[in-house]
Amino acid sequence: AQSVAQPEDQVNVAEGNPLTVKCTYSVSGNPYLFWYVQYPNRGLQFLLKYITGDNLVKGSYGFEAEFNKSQTSFHLKKPSALVSDSALYFCAVRDMPALGSGNTGKLIFGQGTTLQVKP
Amino acid sequence: GAVVSQHPSRVICKSGTSVKIECRSLDFQATTMFWYRQFPKKSLMLMATSNEGSKATYEQGVEKDKFLINHASLTLSTLTVTSAHPEDSSFYICSARVPISGGTPHFSYEQYFGPGTRLTVT
Repeated sequence: AQSVAQPEDQVNVAEGNPLTVKCTYSVSGNPYLFWYVQYPNRGLQFLLKYITGDNLVKGSYGFEAEFNKSQTSFHLKKPSALVSDSALYFCAVRDMPALGSGNTGKLIFGQGTTLQVKP
Repeated sequence: GAVVSQHPSRVICKSGTSVKIECRSLDFQATTMFWYRQFPKKSLMLMATSNEGSKATYEQGVEKDKFLINHASLTLSTLTVTSAHPEDSSFYICSARVPISGGTPHFSYEQYFGPGTRLTVT
């Protein structure tokens, strides 16, 4: 079964410093990985995804993520954090059902990491 | 882009009553929608997959008679929490699948999320 893990409940960063939010995955087959951000009392906003191709994926709001197959990781990064980046971040993997099985390919989310950027 | 809306954004209801939450795809047709539940500062728990014109598929442990899902049209899915109790208080988020062109058999759609509905049962 596919799964993702976010080992940190919270990450604290000073504004202007680089940030990293960690995610590791466990999949059978090719991983389809995603990052979403959630602001308080809001739905999820898509940041970026890895399907295939370059290991460094660039996304919205200056975020990027590095796919590392040997370490089974997909860490989210940003060179310079903003206070407005403070939010809850979710890593997710698309569950890949067998072709023809009729399953829907559900998104499976990690536990979430709260990013706190301080001025 | 694909926009998913939810109504209401917040609802307070008394214990024992039922409440309906609507999820709409505004600029596309969605044959499949998903309903999630999120507890405070916790991850999203998939409750059910809603397919237009057919019965919803519920995840293990989700009471289908309590959480009624109807997907009567290609742009609307509803979640009705029946006989609500305080423990049903939560943040409910819907999501819709959007087919993408040029996809592979395994990756032929994107998933977009609604803004969520905060349900409080008193």
